[in-house]
Order: sequence, then C-alpha cells, then structure tokens
Amino acid sequence: SQKIEQNSEALNIQEGKTATLTCNYTNYSPAYLQWYRQDPGRGPVFLLLIRENEKEKRKERLKVTFDTTLKQSLFHITASQPADSATYLCALDPRNTPLVFGKGTRLSVIA
Amino acid sequence: NAGVTQTPKFRVLKTGQSMTLLCAQDMNHEYMYWYRQDPGMGLRLIHYSVGEGTTAKGEVPDGYNVSRLKKQNFLLGLESAAPSQTSVYFCASGTGDRPQHFGDGTRLSIL
Repeated sequence: SQKIEQNSEALNIQEGKTATLTCNYTNYSPAYLQWYRQDPGRGPVFLLLIRENEKEKRKERLKVTFDTTLKQSLFHITASQPADSATYLCALDPRNTPLVFGKGTRLSVIA
Repeated sequence: NAGVTQTPKFRVLKTGQSMTLLCAQDMNHEYMYWYRQDPGMGLRLIHYSVGEGTTAKGEVPDGYNVSRLKKQNFLLGLESAAPSQTSVYFCASGTGDRPQHFGDGTRLSIL
C-alpha cells in the first residue's frame, strides 16, 4: 500500500542547533515533494518545493534534500530559533493526482 | 490581497443538521481543494476541483458534497451532519504547478 511517513510526531531541539525532519514514502513515484509549515490555529503555509531531478534546494536557513532511491526527503532548519517552532508537513505530488500529505512533525525550539 | 478566505471560522451543529462551508480565492487559481484535519490523521482530501464546473472525489468524500459554480468559489456541503464529521476543515487553491495556498480553516463541532 502507499504510505507517507514523517519520522516523529514531535522533535525538541536547542536554539541555534540544526533541526532535521524526515519524510519517507513507499509505493509512490512523486514528481515533486513539498514542505509546509503550520502554526496552531492556522492553515499550512508553503515553504519549499523540490523536483524529482533535484537533489537539494535551499531558501535562507532552510534546506531540503530529495533522494528518490531511498524514497526520502530531509528538511533542515539551520541556526534554529524559537520562532521556528511549528508543525512541518511534507506532501508528495504522485503525478496527475492531488497532493498527499504526511501527518506532520511538531518542532519545538527551546531557548 | 486576501488569498483564500473560509466562512465561517467556527460552527456548532446538531446531528442531522445541514450546512455549507464557503471558500473564496482571489488568485485566479484553477484548482481548489477541501481537506479535513483530525488529530493523528493529518490532512485528508475530501473533494477537489480542477476548474469551474468540475469536481472530483478525494480520499474521504462520503457524507460531503461540493460545487464549483464560479472559479473563485468552492462550496462544501454536509447534508446530514454526523459527530464523525467534527473536524477542522481547510480549503486550498493552486495552479497545476502547485504549491497550494490554504485558508485558516473552519472549526466544526457536531453534537
């Protein structure tokens, strides 16, 4: 069966460290993989999109990698800040059908 | 520029009542989506539309109907509400290239 899994429900890290979130999938061949941020009481907000032929994408302190052999994406936040605390969702584009979302990882950055 | 606006923000219904959730977008997007988000379940697609006058079923369509009479609006209807439909409902819009833009949700409780 098709599955998309984010490695943990919650992740706590110290301010200034790099947060690494994992998204694994099985039985999909996605054209894209996206990452969203969701704050409590708000809708998800798009952060980054990476295509199947791209290995890495960066935006300011954010970095996403996409390994189609391992069927895995890693999402990194460097020099993390308390303001980065939120739930992060990965989403697959399985080609010609709507996005499929993971359940999210709740990140807490502790000062 | 409002983006995606959902109406209402909160609602309490009794079992068996009906209601319509409204989603409006001002970005001229072709695609619109309705999701529900429940604890531990992540975002699940209810119905979506790839253009004015079209609708399609998502992962969890039972008990819901939708209409897309105008490009900017996407309506989600509950004909006979059930407690299992208590959830937070998110609307999103996008283009064929993605990503999706989300509203801030409608919190619906069914007693």
